[in-house]
Amino acid sequence: GQQVMQIPQYQHVQEGEDFTTYCNSSTTLSNIQWYKQRPGGHPVFLIQLVKSGEVKKQKRLTFQFGEAKKNSSLHITATQTTDVGTYFCAGAWAGNMLTFGGGTRLMVKP
Amino acid sequence: ETGVTQSPTHLIKTRGQQVTLRCSSQSGHNTVSWYQQALGQGPQFIFQYYREEENGRGNFPPRFSGLQFPNYSSELNVNALELDDSALYLCASSLLDGTDTQYFGPGTRLTVL
Repeated sequence: GQQVMQIPQYQHVQEGEDFTTYCNSSTTLSNIQWYKQRPGGHPVFLIQLVKSGEVKKQKRLTFQFGEAKKNSSLHITATQTTDVGTYFCAGAWAGNMLTFGGGTRLMVKP
Repeated sequence: ETGVTQSPTHLIKTRGQQVTLRCSSQSGHNTVSWYQQALGQGPQFIFQYYREEENGRGNFPPRFSGLQFPNYSSELNVNALELDDSALYLCASSLLDGTDTQYFGPGTRLTVL
């Protein structure tokens, strides 16, 4: 079946440092979505990438979709304590049934 | 807030029992998907309903079943509960209009003893 791998599993950073999480699919995706889940919360939609090579920015967050539409990354510049949580990528092949990666848990030391 | 609500918030059941979880979709959304999220893992797709019909199913046994009602609210039923069914159950509503964006509810935390 379709799988989405995400690394790293955990990341500790000092406040102000950058953070990147990577997502990889074995097959070409229709689109990829990113979600953030705070401790004790539910996944909150961040962004959707559809086009090959697409790059989108949201303030300090930069999202990229690979040229082959098999990999993606989320980069946070100058992390803040409010960035704490688990970041999930979720791939879609047909329709909008999502396959989630295992998530990267971000911890930020003030 | 996404406008997606779920009930109950928490639930404790014993092995072998049956459970029904409920979801109210965001207004105007015709599709609901259910996910199971075990502790420390990503959500796993259970199934999706579109206009009251099952539209896709993940790798879950038949004891996981669902319904979608004309007002697009939904139920997830799990029979013969097992300890491994303990998880956060999330529903997500969306429009099948090509945007694929899903809006998650707060989830129901199910504990099976």
